Amino acid sequence: NAGVTQTPKFQVLKTGQSMTLQCAQDMNHNSMYWYRQDPGMGLRLIYYSASEGTTDKGEVPNGYNVSRLNKREFSLRLESAAPSQTSVYFCASSEELGNNYGYTFGSGTRLTVV
Amino acid sequence: GNSVTQMEGPVTLSEEAFLTINCTYTATGYPSLFWYVQYPGEGLQLLLKATKADDKGSNKGFEATYRKETTSFHLEKGSVQVSDSAVYFCALSDPFQKLVFGTGTRLLVSP
Repeated sequence: NAGVTQTPKFQVLKTGQSMTLQCAQDMNHNSMYWYRQDPGMGLRLIYYSASEGTTDKGEVPNGYNVSRLNKREFSLRLESAAPSQTSVYFCASSEELGNNYGYTFGSGTRLTVV
Repeated sequence: GNSVTQMEGPVTLSEEAFLTINCTYTATGYPSLFWYVQYPGEGLQLLLKATKADDKGSNKGFEATYRKETTSFHLEKGSVQVSDSAVYFCALSDPFQKLVFGTGTRLLVSP
């Protein structure tokens, strides 16, 4: 089925470990996004990529890096995980940065940092 | 800048009750408006949208009308079901701008 695929679905890290969250979309979308969602809170944008070859910071970029590997893939890296990064991470994509079609979201990665 | 304000939750209803979740927005241009739904343990799904003033978006019995004069996009459903229990997010999109989300409203429907 067409959509946004995130891997892994669950991950437990120790403080200081690093990891990369993977995201791929097969809808030929130009724009991709990484959000985090904490309990009782809405979505907060970490980074986004308006088009292949570009990335920009969102509201909460500290502690994260991203790579737009190609048009399909947009990864999120935690270089040195901290307990404050325990969250659910969502990747999303859209045809363009602002459009009438909205975003398509992945099912999320549930990350726990101990 | 653009912003979206949603009513605080949780909204607690009995099955077959009428639902309204309020959403108001602030925007400099003429945005498109969206409602997303997030079921427990899942990502957000687009529920409905409206792209211009007076448009009505509808899906799965839910409706919302784009009211430019009151800058609102309230979500309504005539008769909720237990399966509608979820978190609902209002959002807006301006051309060439990122989607702006509200903070979400949790709906709990009891049998």
